Amino acid sequence: QKEVEQNSGPLSVPEGAIASLNCTYSDRGSQSFFWYRQYSGKSPELIMFIYSNGDKEDGRFTAQLNKASQYVSLLIRDSQPSDSATYLCAVLHNAGNMLTFGGGTRLMVKP
Amino acid sequence: EAGVVQSPRYKIIEKKQPVAFWCNPISGHNTLYWYRQNLGQGPELLIRYENEEAVDDSQLPKDRFSAERLKGVDSTLKIQPAELGDSAVYLCASSSKGSETQYFGPGTRLLVL
Repeated sequence: QKEVEQNSGPLSVPEGAIASLNCTYSDRGSQSFFWYRQYSGKSPELIMFIYSNGDKEDGRFTAQLNKASQYVSLLIRDSQPSDSATYLCAVLHNAGNMLTFGGGTRLMVKP
Repeated sequence: EAGVVQSPRYKIIEKKQPVAFWCNPISGHNTLYWYRQNLGQGPELLIRYENEEAVDDSQLPKDRFSAERLKGVDSTLKIQPAELGDSAVYLCASSSKGSETQYFGPGTRLLVL
């Protein structure tokens, strides 16, 4: 069973703070990792992806990957109330090219 | 460029009734996915198509669910008969050849009474 685990939250941060969202996965053969944002009642929207160990930055978002620890995280700098949403971690398994999602972490950014 | 299109957006049916969902992927995307998302959970893959071929349907409950993508473009997912536990959002996604990035449609919210 390939699993992706996330804390369901809610994670509450004040406006302007850094939000840190975490995800662990069980399949050591996983190669690609994705973060999706999902507003209530809407469909998932891709924020960024990461393939290599280390950090990848895109604007206010930084994805971090540690394959040895089977851990991927998303940092959101200068959090805004509009960042309030559920953040889904997804892991691509090369066997069958299948994407497995975690349950999501609900982020609340308070003004 | 138009995104993934799904219809209907909402559907309410009584249990034991049939229901069908339609998806038109992004133009040129040869891979199409159907997911089911229960409340408070992440999407779960039901079936994946490469062009018109279903290459991964291991999670599709084949006793009541069926899907088709006859011409390798749009796709239909059917449930017959629907059960109370089928209430969920059914998401369609697509990706282009060689790309791992999936783009999601708005979903169909199904309520089975």
